[in-house]
Amino acid sequence: SQELEQSPQSLIVQEGKNLTINCTSSKTLYGLYWYKQKYGEGLIFLMMLQKGGEEKSHEKITAKLDEKKQQSSLHITASQPSHAGIYLCGADIGGSNYKLTFGKGTLLTVNP
Amino acid sequence: GAGVSQSPSNKVTEKGKDVELRCDPISGHTALYWYRQRLGQGLEFLIYFQGNSAPDKSGLPSDRFSAERTGESVSTLTIQRTQQEDSAVYLCASSLQGQLYEQYFGPGTRLTVT
Repeated sequence: SQELEQSPQSLIVQEGKNLTINCTSSKTLYGLYWYKQKYGEGLIFLMMLQKGGEEKSHEKITAKLDEKKQQSSLHITASQPSHAGIYLCGADIGGSNYKLTFGKGTLLTVNP
Repeated sequence: GAGVSQSPSNKVTEKGKDVELRCDPISGHTALYWYRQRLGQGLEFLIYFQGNSAPDKSGLPSDRFSAERTGESVSTLTIQRTQQEDSAVYLCASSLQGQLYEQYFGPGTRLTVT
């Protein structure tokens, strides 16, 4: 079974709408990382969360890590076509400090 | 400044052939990682280099896969006797020592084995 589950697998929203992507594990996440990937490009680092209950924001994107450090959500407010892409969550599940396990990604489409 | 670069961007090879993929990390980044992204799957960790320490090869899927790194610079990932299931995007990332989590990714090499 997948150690890091992302939902939904894909999402289509109208420009201006809010949306949330979830990342869940049955194990403790020692670090949780959100990346964005566009076709043919590398992953772009968005945010890193390490402490239970931590929340970070950058522009219209907010990420949270729950108190138990097993679930994270990525929330986009007033989505724009530039937000379209694949959002990946990655986490240090084993406490290695370097080995990241990734979810399968969420494909976001924003219709103008 | 220059980011992580990878070459080639695309590679089509026949089953059974060997391939070499190259990664140039960001200058000054001592840590280097290789990942594989197969269609419909998440990124899979392959190998990790950190300075002069022994690499963590625990993610390499078989003995057909190997990787080398010259000092703290270029790395090559070699796949021998390629199989169709090796078809994937191979991503390289680097990070500063002490900031092992903020990994900067290259654009990847798309490998297709026919």
